[in-house]
Amino acid sequence: AQSVAQPEDQVNVAEGNPLTVKCTYSVSGNPYLFWYVQYPNRGLQFLLKYITGDNLVKGSYGFEAEFNKSQTSFHLKKPSALVSDSALYFCAVRPPDPEYGNKLVFGAGTILRVKS
Amino acid sequence: DTGVSQDPRHKITKRGQNVTFRCDPISEHNRLYWYRQTLGQGPEFLTYFQNEAQLEKSRLLSDRFSAERPKGSFSTLEIQRTEQGDSAMYLCASSLAAALEQYFGPGTRLTVT
Repeated sequence: AQSVAQPEDQVNVAEGNPLTVKCTYSVSGNPYLFWYVQYPNRGLQFLLKYITGDNLVKGSYGFEAEFNKSQTSFHLKKPSALVSDSALYFCAVRPPDPEYGNKLVFGAGTILRVKS
Repeated sequence: DTGVSQDPRHKITKRGQNVTFRCDPISEHNRLYWYRQTLGQGPEFLTYFQNEAQLEKSRLLSDRFSAERPKGSFSTLEIQRTEQGDSAMYLCASSLAAALEQYFGPGTRLTVT
């Protein structure tokens, strides 16, 4: 079965400190990986994706993510957190097998709280 | 580019009633997706269209659910004989055929009383 795990329900970090939001996946083959952010009463916003190539992917708002095939992880990172980064973050995978079509499989989400 | 829009944003209905939601994708996107999100969970895939063709349906989509995209532009999701378990946020997303990322609308929050 294709699945995504976000092991932390919540991550707390002080403004200006680096942040990491963890994601691991279980997918056969080489998956396509995504991070989305959701603010209250708003839809999901695309942050970044990994398809192939460089394991460090840069995205919107200063976020980046590191793909690690051996650890089947795709952790979201930012060197210096802002209070405005506080939101709900989702990791998602699109299995490469055509059998799974085009759907995204999402993790349960991680709440990020950045305190000033 | 005005983004993906959904209507209504909120819907409260009584159990047993029918409801219909509308999604307008980004204009040049030919792929359209519906997801359902319950509290504390990530979105779960429901169904997917390429142009007007419905190419995939999740097992979550019971017989009471039907989706259409009649002219390959906007889409509707209808739930018949609503149940309390249908209460959720219904999200629509769209993408270009060649792109992988999906762009989401603000969602329709359904409450079944």
